[in-house]
Amino acid sequence: QKEVEQDPGPLSVPEGAIVSLNCTYSNSAFQYFMWYRQYSRKGPELLMYTYSSGNKEDGRFTAQVDKSSKYISLFIRDSQPSDSATYLCAMSAGSNDYKLSFGAGTTVTVRA
Amino acid sequence: DVKVTQSSRYLVKRTGEKVFLECVQDMDHENMFWYRQDPGLGLRLIYFSYDVKMKEKGDIPEGYSVSREKKERFSLILESASTNQTSMYLCASSLGVGRNGGNIQYFGAGTRLSVL
Repeated sequence: QKEVEQDPGPLSVPEGAIVSLNCTYSNSAFQYFMWYRQYSRKGPELLMYTYSSGNKEDGRFTAQVDKSSKYISLFIRDSQPSDSATYLCAMSAGSNDYKLSFGAGTTVTVRA
Repeated sequence: DVKVTQSSRYLVKRTGEKVFLECVQDMDHENMFWYRQDPGLGLRLIYFSYDVKMKEKGDIPEGYSVSREKKERFSLILESASTNQTSMYLCASSLGVGRNGGNIQYFGAGTRLSVL
């Protein structure tokens, strides 16, 4: 079993819809959670960074962490065609950790 | 802004060739990483380095080696390229231990390597 599980999709939604992306994990020590966005043929770029449980909002993006369920989510409101990308979750136990554990990524297409 | 630059976007090599992939970061980051990314398999860590001349194996180091002679530069070497090493290679760097946000990794644009 992988340490981080992420539904690979693909996910296709109409413009303006809410996109919901999820990851589950098995290591209860994880405390730092990230979401990366990767456009086609580009490297991943950091989208959201959260610590421990709770919500974090940045514009149209909301990251949620539920440590009791070992479950994290990313919501994209009012989705745009420019949001079409692969989204990867990543996590680590401490800020001193060298390595991150990544999900396999979910590919999202927002249809105009 | 952090900039991680990979020397080539696309490379085509022949089986058995020695291949060098170069990566440079401009933010004085302590840690540097090499990943490969394949459809359905996600990101897999090949090697990482937490200091100059220091390296540690990741999850799939076989067939690869690395070199970090200067803090800003991390090279991935394929000693004898094989077709199963055709992949997207991503370099990343992070600030380092004990720093706020020190575990955030910043990625280059990637090198798409084809071994024929």
